[in-house]
Amino acid sequence: QSVLTQPPSASGTPGQRVTISCSGSSSNIGNNYVYWYRQLPGTAPKLLIYRNNQRPSGVPDRFSGSKSGTSASLAISGLRSEDEADYYCAAWDDSLSGLEFGGGTKLTVL
Amino acid sequence: EVQVVESGGGLVQPGGSLRLSCAASGFIFSSYWMNWVRQAPGKGLEWVANINQDGSEKYYVDSVKGRFTISRDNAKNSLSLQMNSLRAEDTAIYYCARSDSSNYPTLWGQGTMVTVSS
Repeated sequence: QSVLTQPPSASGTPGQRVTISCSGSSSNIGNNYVYWYRQLPGTAPKLLIYRNNQRPSGVPDRFSGSKSGTSASLAISGLRSEDEADYYCAAWDDSLSGLEFGGGTKLTVL
Repeated sequence: EVQVVESGGGLVQPGGSLRLSCAASGFIFSSYWMNWVRQAPGKGLEWVANINQDGSEKYYVDSVKGRFTISRDNAKNSLSLQMNSLRAEDTAIYYCARSDSSNYPTLWGQGTMVTVSS
């Protein structure tokens, strides 16, 4: 059972906008940064969003992150077939003194 | 090229030991926190441990405390994970990852598979 809660799945059609939520508590999301990672099948995770809403160089502006209170979300606009992947949120947890990942959301492009 | 490359995975019997290594290149290794993150087959990501720049601070997930030890050799640009008393539930791909200034993993290796089975 993950400390950070994500929906196990999400879907959308090409061109649509989808959002993936990540719910936590005051000891993690409420007091620390949220990061988002994307993992394509059979590959290592890759950083998608850092410090709640910042995009690394090379990540298109179709991807955006936000945080409010103890929840965060990742939005993907202009959905493409290559966006099919697993998406994970992460936040440091002060009570556990460790980094926590969400359970992951499998995004399907219909 | 900036990268981290893991090695040392393999098949080990329950109760056995294994040492994973991570070779860093293309950046000043001694300037960064480093992490181990694992992923069991078909499951999500689980942070395992991290270590600060000079090795004086180490943090572990509860499930590996007392069994796993993270260490580093800055002279050799190398990170290690000594895993003892291995259990079936430790079976996973183990990723080495460099942290950013906020101490979150940002640069990941390709991983090394550890299988604990008799």
